[in-house]
Amino acid sequence: QLVLTQSPSASASLGASVKLTCTLSSGHSSYAIAWHQQQPEKGPRYLMKLNSDGSHSKGDGIPDRFSGSSSGAERYLTISSLQSEDEADYYCQTWGTGSWVFGGGTKLTVL
Amino acid sequence: EVQLVQSGAEVKKPGESLKISCKGSGYSFTSYWIGWVRQMPGKGLEWMGIIYPGDSDTRYSPSFQGQVTISADKSISTAYLQWSSLKASDTAMYYCARPGGYSGYDSVDYWGQGTLVTVSS
Repeated sequence: QLVLTQSPSASASLGASVKLTCTLSSGHSSYAIAWHQQQPEKGPRYLMKLNSDGSHSKGDGIPDRFSGSSSGAERYLTISSLQSEDEADYYCQTWGTGSWVFGGGTKLTVL
Repeated sequence: EVQLVQSGAEVKKPGESLKISCKGSGYSFTSYWIGWVRQMPGKGLEWMGIIYPGDSDTRYSPSFQGQVTISADKSISTAYLQWSSLKASDTAMYYCARPGGYSGYDSVDYWGQGTLVTVSS
């Protein structure tokens, strides 16, 4: 079964970097994913599509501070030079034959 | 510029029917699938189903099959999500979303702004 696993929470200091992880279920390590950001009281916003080889394509207007990488079944979102507006929920999303799948989301707190 | 604009917030009573909408613009509406995603209060994102407006081919998540109906009117570039008999547990924010690829199963590249549905007696 295609499942995405994310840690419920993460925190990092203003100006620092943080790396969020999304893990694909067993047998699905070749799957691409997408990262989405949801700021408080707002709708989701597409950040990037991330392939298994680490190549990624970002959405319009997404700052260079956001980058993606991959290792095995893990997909990462790295945010550098953290700003207060980066405090948000981050969701990974993938897709299989006949479904979209979302991870449970990671709530990022900027200290 | 691709835009998905959803209808406004709704407050309904249990047992009532409802149809919410999502109007696409800035792209060929009939060439891309549109999906619906539920977000219950304080919870994560759940995929409900997708529709291909070109021929109204529709697929549902097993969790939502039989609970909602997804439709589209390509003449006005609008997709719909409807309920025939709402329950309190349908209270949630609903988002329409467009995947980037032509297959329907791809990264969501564009999101609507959301429609809040509140069901309360």
